[in-house]
Amino acid sequence: AQSVTQLDSQVPVFEEAPVELRCNYSSSVSVYLFWYVQYPNQGLQLLLKYLSGSTLVKGINGFEAEFNKSQTSFHLRKPSVHISDTAEYFCAVSDTSGGSNYKLTFGKGTLLTVNP
Amino acid sequence: EAGVTQSPTHLIKTRGQQATLRCSPISGHTSVYWYQQALGLGLQFLLWYDEGEERNRGNFPPRFSGRQFPNYSSELNVNALELDDSALYLCASSSYSGTGLSGYTFGSGTRLTVV
Repeated sequence: AQSVTQLDSQVPVFEEAPVELRCNYSSSVSVYLFWYVQYPNQGLQLLLKYLSGSTLVKGINGFEAEFNKSQTSFHLRKPSVHISDTAEYFCAVSDTSGGSNYKLTFGKGTLLTVNP
Repeated sequence: EAGVTQSPTHLIKTRGQQATLRCSPISGHTSVYWYQQALGLGLQFLLWYDEGEERNRGNFPPRFSGRQFPNYSSELNVNALELDDSALYLCASSSYSGTGLSGYTFGSGTRLTVV
């Protein structure tokens, strides 16, 4: 079974500042990794995903994440945030072995608040 | 392309009643997943349906049940509602070939309030 830990429940930053949202996972097998964003009163939208290949993954809205297998991390970064990035961000992991393990396990989320 | 649609958007029920939530996946997606998002608890996996069969189930009591129809749409039923069942219920769909997971596409959710 997998688990995901998002180390910060809330991250306040000022507009145009860089931000890093931290995610660590635990798994005994190979994993796929995802970041989702949830704006108020909406469902989740996929930001980016790591399935294989390059460990640096670029997503929508200027976000990127780096897969670090030795540290079991998948931190999300953006060099300059906007007010509109204010939302809750979820890290998720899935087993690669398929079958009944093909479900996403989510972290508890990080609320990013961008202040003017 | 239409996204994942959920209905109703809001539902208010009394403790002890039953609630039925509906989900239509993206065309071509055969898998439907249900998650509960209660305040402060993140997303908790409820159920996974694929090709009409229940494939996996989260740690929820049997009063949470569902089904998937031949057109791949799905229903989530919650019987004997409790106050703690108040939450946002999210449905997601996906396709996979066994060689990779494309990721889920989520609907906007059904806000269930139990009073």
